[in-house]
Amino acid sequence: EAQVTQNPRYLITVTGKKLTVTCSQNMNHEYMSWYRQDPGLGLRQIYYSMNVEVTDKGDVPEGYKVSRKEKRNFPLILESPSPNQTSLYFCASSPGGRQPQHFGDGTRLSIL
Amino acid sequence: QKEVEQNSGPLSVPEGAIASLNCTYSDRVSQSFFWYRQYSGKSPELIMSIYSNGDKEDGRFTAQLNKASQYVSLLIRDSQPSDSATYLCAVNPNTGNQFYFGTGTSLTVIP
Repeated sequence: EAQVTQNPRYLITVTGKKLTVTCSQNMNHEYMSWYRQDPGLGLRQIYYSMNVEVTDKGDVPEGYKVSRKEKRNFPLILESPSPNQTSLYFCASSPGGRQPQHFGDGTRLSIL
Repeated sequence: QKEVEQNSGPLSVPEGAIASLNCTYSDRVSQSFFWYRQYSGKSPELIMSIYSNGDKEDGRFTAQLNKASQYVSLLIRDSQPSDSATYLCAVNPNTGNQFYFGTGTSLTVIP
């Protein structure tokens, strides 16, 4: 089954404790992306990647890091999380840029 | 000015009616446009993509694109209670591979 898998689905943590949200897709997609969704602000793109070792900033990259060492994986790293990063995060992938994206189930992060 | 704007609603229509959802965008040279549906607590799922001016139909859904006026709309014919969700408009500007989403329009179809 074609899917984008995110882990964990839920996480409650404390300020400053480094965390990683993993994202993996099994569709051999070249394009992968991370979004955060906040009430009233909608979906905002954090980072995206056109292919292995190619990443670019989206609209709200501050406080986040990503890497794309393998085509199927695109982890999101919060090196020093802060409460304003409490949000619902989605990973998505597509065959290429400018094409429809397939979303993962989401990760709800709460940073205290 | 936001890149993509949608009326947040809520929009309520009776079952069987046509629901009309609208979206405007700021980048005149945008090329790719998408409508996603998001049920409460779920991830967005693609309904339609449209790339050229005019109408594109898929079952009960019709996407309409007018690049001169910088708007894209989604019509849902014969609306069903199962269509009750938030509808997200997404735009990919011509200048790169970034995506911009509107804040979504909440639709309720009343049985």
